[in-house]
Amino acid sequence: GAGVSQSPRYKVAKRGQDVALRCDPISGHVSLFWYQQALGQGPEFLTYFQNEAQLDKSGLPSDRFFAERPEGSVSTLKIQRTQQEDSAVYLCASSLGVPGPLSYEQYFGPGTRLTVT
Amino acid sequence: GQQVMQIPQYQHVQEGEDFTTYCNSSTTLSNIQWYKQRPGGHPVFLIQLVKSGEVKKQKRLTFQFGEAKKNSSLHITATQTTDVGTYFCAGMNYGGATNKLIFGTGTLLAVQP
Repeated sequence: GAGVSQSPRYKVAKRGQDVALRCDPISGHVSLFWYQQALGQGPEFLTYFQNEAQLDKSGLPSDRFFAERPEGSVSTLKIQRTQQEDSAVYLCASSLGVPGPLSYEQYFGPGTRLTVT
Repeated sequence: GQQVMQIPQYQHVQEGEDFTTYCNSSTTLSNIQWYKQRPGGHPVFLIQLVKSGEVKKQKRLTFQFGEAKKNSSLHITATQTTDVGTYFCAGMNYGGATNKLIFGTGTLLAVQP
């Protein structure tokens, strides 16, 4: 079946512009995660949804970052007034179940590479 | 907060040589996962370890979870060019301050034919 898809794959924004990044998780997956990956680094957690509920947004760097998953499927990560330090690859991942002592594997999308000029 | 470090950052081997990457957490983990990210690609799940001292094998890959559940290792026997990529461990401390996966810093493996 289809995997996790993300769009756009590449986005160039001028500093100060708003951007919206979309994630289509695997159908039926309860959990959805957003990560930020800087060049040469591991993915860093941004936020977590269980169905439509945003249960953890502790990784969002500032109040310029906002995420939603209104119907428990597609999710959007919005960044307002982009800054150069926001340049990174934004990865979305979904998993069948919820985090627990025995976690479920996360299926990652191809990512959106954001460049802020 | 919780930190997960990996060593080495980079390893270059000749095809056929063995390779090991080590993962160390600042806190005790409930479970640890390993992912592989090819150049230009996205992380792909390899395996999950849950029990203290657990050892799992996948063909030429051997994964180990430490007795104290604070460290892990991935060993590849007789590397091939298809093994090229960055290997990340990702740990969770379920029931701790947060229930999210904390990814390690990664080890980039280069294999020379």
